[in-house]
Amino acid sequence: SQTIHQWPATLVQPVGSPLSLECTVEGTSNPNLYWYRQAAGRGLQLLFYSVGIGQISSEVPQNLSASRPQDRQFILSSKKLLLSDSGFYLCAWSVPTGESSPLHFGNGTRLTVT
Amino acid sequence: GQNIDQPTEMTATEGAIVQINCTYQTSGFNGLFWYQQHAGEAPTFLSYNVLDGLEEKGRFSSFLSRSKGYSYLLLKELQMKDSASYLCAVRDSNYQLIWGAGTKLIIKP
Repeated sequence: SQTIHQWPATLVQPVGSPLSLECTVEGTSNPNLYWYRQAAGRGLQLLFYSVGIGQISSEVPQNLSASRPQDRQFILSSKKLLLSDSGFYLCAWSVPTGESSPLHFGNGTRLTVT
Repeated sequence: GQNIDQPTEMTATEGAIVQINCTYQTSGFNGLFWYQQHAGEAPTFLSYNVLDGLEEKGRFSSFLSRSKGYSYLLLKELQMKDSASYLCAVRDSNYQLIWGAGTKLIIKP
């Protein structure tokens, strides 16, 4: 069966520090991968998605970046965090084809920028 | 623009039935998803509708009317563990998911 791992679960970082969140998927090949952010009491905001190694689409211009160095690894990074980067970050995967395929989410990372 | 509307919050009683509505205006339609999200946790997939009608899964059912741009999630025999946010999402013509802000469901004994 497929599983998705995301870490760390919580993170407190000062403004201006770098960020690296990692996500890996097991049990499937060539998944579509996604990074979402959810601000408190708000909906999911798509940040990046990837349909293959090295293929990253950015949905929202900001100081975050994403990389996909391996088929089942997706990394979210920032060189300098802002206070507004605080939120709940979710990695997700879906099968590459099929309109009925749902997204499956990792457990999330709660980031607090101080 | 693309838009999905859900009530912000609903309250229901344990053992009762509740219906959570979702209306959407999107560029194309390739299916509608419902997710459950407990506080502090990740969303989990509940149901998928692409054709008009009702899909039933145990205590949960989801209905779709494409002509009206409308869906609802019906929860029967409510339990305290059903207290959560329920997210509606539509897959548009580019196969991207458009998300509603979610409905927080509070279950009272």
